[in-house]
Amino acid sequence: NAGVMQNPRHLVRRRGQEARLRCSPMKGHSHVYWYRQLPEEGLKFMVYLQKENIIDESGMPKERFSAEFPKEGPSILRIQQVVRGDSAAYFCASSDTATNEKLFFGSGTQLSVL
Amino acid sequence: LAKTTQPISMDSYEGQEVNITCSHNNIATNDYITWYQQFPSQGPRFIIQGYKTKVTNEVASLFIPADRKSSTLSLPRVSLSDTAVYYCLVGDPLESGTYKYIFGTGTRLKVLA
Repeated sequence: NAGVMQNPRHLVRRRGQEARLRCSPMKGHSHVYWYRQLPEEGLKFMVYLQKENIIDESGMPKERFSAEFPKEGPSILRIQQVVRGDSAAYFCASSDTATNEKLFFGSGTQLSVL
Repeated sequence: LAKTTQPISMDSYEGQEVNITCSHNNIATNDYITWYQQFPSQGPRFIIQGYKTKVTNEVASLFIPADRKSSTLSLPRVSLSDTAVYYCLVGDPLESGTYKYIFGTGTRLKVLA
């Protein structure tokens, strides 16, 4: 049973380009959470999605960032017109219920903006 | 808004027992308390979860007092490989009846030889 899969593992973008980060949850999981982590800092909540719905996006910047979790396929975190401050590790987690903190995390995508 | 408070860092020696306490004064009635371990460049890994009293598994124990406003993760006989950041996590209730999960700063445990 495969765990949470994130790709790419490393992503390099130049300022102004778009970054697309993918997350395939564990089989049977319909809840996905995205977090951002800067070096030596904690995980910052960005967005919580269920299939085809954004449940809470209070942690996501209002501009340039968007997330989706379609009926079929992985969850996508999209960052448009990246800036150097977007450089960070982005982790996604999935769970099978909405009320249990047993989250399963992927290995993350390290985004570097040149 | 659910919030957790933990010591920023702790040092220990190999073979000792380590106890990390987390405060969560605003925990929701039906919410669990969950602890994670994170190594550099890796995603957090589930360690243990509990609702009340004591829970034990093969790697740790979790102690939760009756008022549930705090919890203590206990790591028996730590080794160098237990050097990591440890997070406690509680849910932040949403109007939909679900939770979002906000991590605190975590506790950076350093195990010394």
